[in-house]
Amino acid sequence: DVQMTQSPSSLSASVGDRVTITCRASQSISTYVSWYQHKPGKAPNLIMYAASNLQSGVPSRFSGSGSGTHFTLTISRLQPEDSATYYCQQSYDTSWTFGQGTRVEV
Amino acid sequence: EGQLVASGGGPVQPGGSLRLSCSGSGFIFSRFDMHWVRQGVGKGLEWVSGVDRPGNKYYSGSVKGRFTISRENANNSMFLQMDSLSDGDTAVYYCARTVVRGGADSFDIWGQGTRVIVS
Repeated sequence: DVQMTQSPSSLSASVGDRVTITCRASQSISTYVSWYQHKPGKAPNLIMYAASNLQSGVPSRFSGSGSGTHFTLTISRLQPEDSATYYCQQSYDTSWTFGQGTRVEV
Repeated sequence: EGQLVASGGGPVQPGGSLRLSCSGSGFIFSRFDMHWVRQGVGKGLEWVSGVDRPGNKYYSGSVKGRFTISRENANNSMFLQMDSLSDGDTAVYYCARTVVRGGADSFDIWGQGTRVIVS
């Protein structure tokens, strides 16, 4: 099974800052990565698919990049409503593994 | 756009069973692969099980042999039969719809979650 390792586990930043979350796969997985935003008490929300494609309705300050084993999610111009836990997920194999999550505090 | 509603959670004793349901609306249910994802207390998201359009079933190692996923397209529904439950299965269980774009799966619609407490 493909393992996904996310870093950092948490970060604190200010409104307007730029933050980057990294996800590393245990083997090459092309661009089969999605990113989700999860707020307490709510369902997770898809924000990025196929590594670098913004889901409809998601603000353009979110961007994704990467292929192979290294992937990043960047939030430029951080907003208060971006406080959440962010997860990467692989769909290269049928274990659909999530990373451990990155808690972002604004 | 579509909506999913998960139900069936609740308290259950160790060793007991529970059946979760997921009802879809606003989209053609039979055209999508479906999954269950859970989040234990203080833990991250964990993929649990999935069923594709032809009915092939997939399970994580932690639930294989104890959980059974199924779907009833005629009723726009998916189910998760959970047997031999243990403390480690305590979690909020989400159902999710899969879309395939760029060759990659992503879970674009999620139910609100149903809480299972094994105690």
